[in-house]
Formats: sequence, structure tokens, C-alpha cells
Amino acid sequence: ETGVTQTPRHLVMGMTNKKSLKCEQHLGHNAMYWYKQSAKKPLELMFVYSLEERVENNSVPSRFSPECPNSSHLFLHLHTLQPEDSALYLCASSQGDVGRRHGYTFGSGTRLTVV
Amino acid sequence: KQEVTQIPAALSVPEGENLVLNCSFTDSAIYNLQWFRQDPGKGLTSLLLIQSSQREQTSGRLNASLDKSSGRSTLYIAASQPGDSATYLCAVKKDSNYQLIWGAGTKLIIKP
Repeated sequence: ETGVTQTPRHLVMGMTNKKSLKCEQHLGHNAMYWYKQSAKKPLELMFVYSLEERVENNSVPSRFSPECPNSSHLFLHLHTLQPEDSALYLCASSQGDVGRRHGYTFGSGTRLTVV
Repeated sequence: KQEVTQIPAALSVPEGENLVLNCSFTDSAIYNLQWFRQDPGKGLTSLLLIQSSQREQTSGRLNASLDKSSGRSTLYIAASQPGDSATYLCAVKKDSNYQLIWGAGTKLIIKP
């Protein structure tokens, strides 16, 4: 484990279901991220939280709803998803402005399949 | 608009060879560049981070170089081992916001 833990590791859900992805870090980082990784495409940044406030939202559909209750936890709430939302969802954390001195720490991801 | 390209998309070499992975970017005004590896179905592991003022970084058998003027970075892997098999991604940070621009990765297979 890298210090960033994601659950569940795998998730299969129907298009009418509601589910949540969870990310937890105890590295003392103050920024957390959700990324989407689809087959043969570059990583897509979805949401960024810094000090528990959302600082970036890259035009993500409203069927994805993030929540950051504290600096150690990040959720991604899912509802009425589409099959094209099937992907690996990665959580990452960093200390401060990304890349000043340190890079990202990633979790192992949640493999989501929408049926 | 910054674009990041990694060529080749896949590479297969015998164990023990030295190899170079390439990353190119279209806008030379970058903040830093980072190399990651990703094992199948897993998250990303940070390998090396090069600030815009640096020319290279080294970690063990890995050496990453940065040439901003030509928009290129290379990841050199010495004495490759089967455990090096993974997908290698590079990402460019353009400025002080949180956005990274990612390449699509090079899938590396090291044959025993």
C-alpha cells in the first residue's frame, strides 16, 4: 500500500444504482484528487480538493458528486451512471501545490463497471 | 494548448538491456515534469520529478532528463529486469495550479 487507500477495489453497478467510492490518506497531505483512467486514454483529472475545499472541477457530469469531509477522506458519489463511465477511478494526494517539491501519491484505484 | 506524447506506445526488450522511453510536450513553458509507473490494474507510483530548472534526476537504475527548449524528456532504465515491466507515464505541470497534462503511456515488457 502506498499510503492512499481506495475502497472498494472493484464495483459493478447498474445504471439506476447509487454507490460511493472512498479514498483515505494518512500521509498528512492537504490536497486530494479524483482521476478517471479509461482504456488507451490519458488520465483525466475530475476534481481537486485543497484544505477540504474544491478548487477545480473539470466539467465533470453532475452524476459524479465529490465530497471531502476532512483532509484525510475523499468520496465520489455515483448515481445514474452510463456504460461509458466504466473505468479505473484513481485517488491521489499531495502536500501543498502539486509538484513544488513533491509529487502525487496514488491509491490502487477502483475498477468500476456500469452495466 | 499543452499536449504530451509518449512514443512508442509499447516496447518489448530482452532482460539486461538498457533502454530509453520518450516523452514530448508542445509548450516548453512548464513548471515540472514527472515520471510514473503503473502496474496492470493498479495505481500509479511516482518515479522521478524534474523541476523546470533541472536537467536530470536519478534514482537507482533510473535516470530522467529534461530538455525544455526541445520539449522532450527521456527516462533511461539501465540493466532492465522483468520486474520493470509496467506502463510508464509522464505528466507535465504547466503552472502553479493543480492540473497535470498526461501522456498516454508506454507499455514496457522485459522478456526473461
